Amino acid sequence: GQSLEQPSEVTAVEGAIVQINCTYQTSGFYGLSWYQQHDGGAPTFLSYNALDGLEETGRFSSFLSRSDSYGYLLLQELQMKDSASYFCAVRSTGFQKLVFGTGTRLLVSP
Amino acid sequence: DGGITQSPKYLFRKEGQNVTLSCEQNLNHDAMYWYRQDPGQGLRLIYYSQIVNDFQKGDIAEGYSVSREKKESFPLTVTSAQKNPTAFYLCASSLGQGDRELFFGEGSRLTVL
Repeated sequence: GQSLEQPSEVTAVEGAIVQINCTYQTSGFYGLSWYQQHDGGAPTFLSYNALDGLEETGRFSSFLSRSDSYGYLLLQELQMKDSASYFCAVRSTGFQKLVFGTGTRLLVSP
Repeated sequence: DGGITQSPKYLFRKEGQNVTLSCEQNLNHDAMYWYRQDPGQGLRLIYYSQIVNDFQKGDIAEGYSVSREKKESFPLTVTSAQKNPTAFYLCASSLGQGDRELFFGEGSRLTVL
C-alpha cells in the first residue's frame, strides 16, 4: 500500500520560516510533489522533487531524501496569504496515480 | 484563458438520486482525474482517464461512474449506490499521465439531504 504522513496543523507568525514535513511509504517511487489549497479553493502546484536535494522557487523550497522516504516544504518570509493547507503527493507504482497526504493546515498570524 | 471548469459549484441531492458533475478543460490535456476530498482525509482518487474513450478506477470508485467521449470533457456521475456522497469533488487534468503537475478545477460541493 501507499501512505503519506504530514502534521495536521502548523502555526507561525508573519515573516517567520516554517517547515512542513512529509514521510511516505510506497511501492516504487517517481517523485514528491507539493500543492497549496486555500479554503474552498482549488489545489495549486508548488513544487516537484524527483531527485535528492533542495529545489528553490522564490520564497518556497522543497527537499527530498529518497533513502529516508522523507521530504519537506520550507516557506520563508511568511505572509498572511500563505495561510492555507499544504499537501504532499507521491507518484508511485503504475505511474498514473498521484496519491495525496492528508494535508497540513498552516495558520499565519500577524 | 485556459483552465478547468467544474459545474455546478454547489449541488444538493435527495437520497436515492443520481447526480452528474461536469468537468471541462481547454488546456488540450490528455489525462483527466476525479478526486474526492473529505475533511481530514486529503484527496482520494475516484477515476482517471489517460485518453478519450478510456478510463480506469481509482481507489474509491464504488458508487461512481465516468465517461470520456471527448478530450475536453470528463463528467462524473454520483449514483445512488454511493453510501456517503456528501463531499467536495475536484476535477484535474495533466498534459500526460505521468506529468508532474496537475491542474485543478474550483471544485463542486455535493450535499445529500
